Amino acid sequence: GQNIDQPTEMTATEGAIVQINCTYQTSGFNGLFWYQQHAGEAPTFLSYNVLDGLEEKGRFSSFLSRSKGYSYLLLKELQMKDSASYLCAVRDSNYQLIWGAGTKLIIKP
Amino acid sequence: IAGITQAPTSQILAAGRRMTLRCTQDMRHNAMYWYRQDLGLGLRLIHYSNTAGTTGKGEVPDGYSVSRANTDDFPLTLASAVPSQTSVYFCASSDSANNEQFFGPGTRLTVL
Repeated sequence: GQNIDQPTEMTATEGAIVQINCTYQTSGFNGLFWYQQHAGEAPTFLSYNVLDGLEEKGRFSSFLSRSKGYSYLLLKELQMKDSASYLCAVRDSNYQLIWGAGTKLIIKP
Repeated sequence: IAGITQAPTSQILAAGRRMTLRCTQDMRHNAMYWYRQDLGLGLRLIHYSNTAGTTGKGEVPDGYSVSRANTDDFPLTLASAVPSQTSVYFCASSDSANNEQFFGPGTRLTVL
């Protein structure tokens, strides 16, 4: 079956760096997405990776290794507003999107 | 309208009642989706439409139906609501199938 694994919850300190991992086993691969979802709100798009390597976008970076079925989202200079859930989603060979359950990130002062 | 809207924002419904959740987008996106989100389970796809006039079943379609008469609207109907359909429902759209998706604000539905 198809599966995406993310840690359920992580805690980090304001100003620090945190890495949220995502591993996947899917029927083929056609890209990986990261979304941010604040409590009580809708998910919003953060990043997209289809080739191996690091994509940097301001304080957020996303890394992909297709051979390892692995991605991470790196958040730098953490701010309190970064407290949210982070969702990993993989597009399979049929262009269907498989969603992980999300990682709840708690930022402490 | 800017983006994608959903109505109602929240609803309490008696079991057995029929309910339609509305979704409208003004981005001229071809593809639209309905998800439900339950604690610990993440987003689960109910139905989708890759273009106006076509629909498809997602991971959890039972008890739900959709229609896509035009590009902008994608209503979700619960023919006879049951308590297990208590959830937060998100509508989303993308320019083509499963590209970056834009989500509506969600509908919180409680079935008693």
